[in-house]
Amino acid sequence: GDSVTQMEGPVTLSEEAFLTINCTYTATGYPSLFWYVQYPGEGLQLLLKATKADDKGSNKGFEATYRKETTSFHLEKGSVQVSDSAVYFCALRRGSTLGRLYFGRGTQLTVWP
Amino acid sequence: GAGVSQSPRYKVAKRGQDVALRCDPISGHVSLFWYQQALGQGPEFLTYFQNEAQLDKSGLPSDRFFAERPEGSVSTLKIQRTQQEDSAVYLCASSLQALTGASGNTIYFGEGSWLTVV
Repeated sequence: GDSVTQMEGPVTLSEEAFLTINCTYTATGYPSLFWYVQYPGEGLQLLLKATKADDKGSNKGFEATYRKETTSFHLEKGSVQVSDSAVYFCALRRGSTLGRLYFGRGTQLTVWP
Repeated sequence: GAGVSQSPRYKVAKRGQDVALRCDPISGHVSLFWYQQALGQGPEFLTYFQNEAQLDKSGLPSDRFFAERPEGSVSTLKIQRTQQEDSAVYLCASSLQALTGASGNTIYFGEGSWLTVV
């Protein structure tokens, strides 16, 4: 069945460090891929998305490229800030499942000044 | 309202009690979802509504779970005879249009209702 696997946390970085959070998926067909972020005390927010192979989603300095050959959608940021501290969730959605999202377990990121 | 609103934010229930969780989606949104998020896990799909029609309830874990959206706006998730394994955050989400394609519209999440069963 459809599933998402993302690297386990927690991830702890110093400000301005480079960030990578790995995400791989299993799905039939051609899913859309997403990264959601959950800041402390807030709801899930869409960070970025990609709907087809080789698409790059980007937002707030974060990027992720849809790699069909490796079934991956790794999240990257060149220089993290303290305000990026949050839980990050990778997710997929297939058209045949009426918009149902399949989430990974989440990766806690803490950035120290 | 400005976003998806859920109530109560926090609920403590004794084992065996019934609970009802309310979701107010963004005004005019056609699609509404419920998800369950256990501690340290990602959200798991429970059910999906398109207007008042419940089109997918395959994620409901047992017949103790029931959801409704009678007028196509506010939705209620009801859990009967709660058990300790029901302790989780229950997330409601909505989207402007019906989601029949992989690209679809952005799905907006509420802050969740934290349920603890003791």
